[in-house]
Amino acid sequence: AQSVTQPDIHITVSEGASLELRCNYSYGATPYLFWYVQSPGQGLQLLLKYFSGDTLVQGIKGFEAEFKRSQSSFNLRKPSVHWSDAAEYFCAVGAPDNYGQNFVFGPGTRLSVLP
Amino acid sequence: GAVVSQHPSRVICKSGTSVKIECRSLDFQATTMFWYRQFPKKSLMLMATSNEGSKATYEQGVEKDKFLINHASLTLSTLTVTSAHPEDSSFYICSARAGTAYNEQFFGPGTRLTVL
Repeated sequence: AQSVTQPDIHITVSEGASLELRCNYSYGATPYLFWYVQSPGQGLQLLLKYFSGDTLVQGIKGFEAEFKRSQSSFNLRKPSVHWSDAAEYFCAVGAPDNYGQNFVFGPGTRLSVLP
Repeated sequence: GAVVSQHPSRVICKSGTSVKIECRSLDFQATTMFWYRQFPKKSLMLMATSNEGSKATYEQGVEKDKFLINHASLTLSTLTVTSAHPEDSSFYICSARAGTAYNEQFFGPGTRLTVL
């Protein structure tokens, strides 16, 4: 079974600064990888996903993520953070050979943005 | 496209009553729907997986008699919390998958359940 870690529980950055949220996974093969964002009291919105191909993935709201097989990582980045980016971010891993039951979320990273 | 709705968005009930939460896929047919529970400031925990027309598969530790799941059609799944107690208070999120090979799930906005 796969697992996901997000080493940073809470990150605070200033508006306009760059951002990197870390995600590491454990899985025997290449998994499907996702980043979701959740605003307080809301559901999850998909930012981007990686299934195969180009390891640098572009998403919505100016986010990108890079899949690094050698490091088992899928870190999320944004060059310039906006105050509206303050939210909870979840990395998730899906096993390609198992439809649904093995979709695992990381513990989440809470992002705070200083004005 | 790929919109999933949940109803109600918030519900408050008395201890001992039952509460039904609906999850609908609005613009696609969801062969599989998932129910998650999220505790405050925690990640999502998968409760159960339901395939249209068959019984739900529950994760270890989830009481199937307490959390009744029905997936009667390709666009609707319901979660009924029976004889609710304060410890059942939580944020419940559903997701739906259209049966593609990519394992992508589309999430509903969540339902906040408060049991008094």
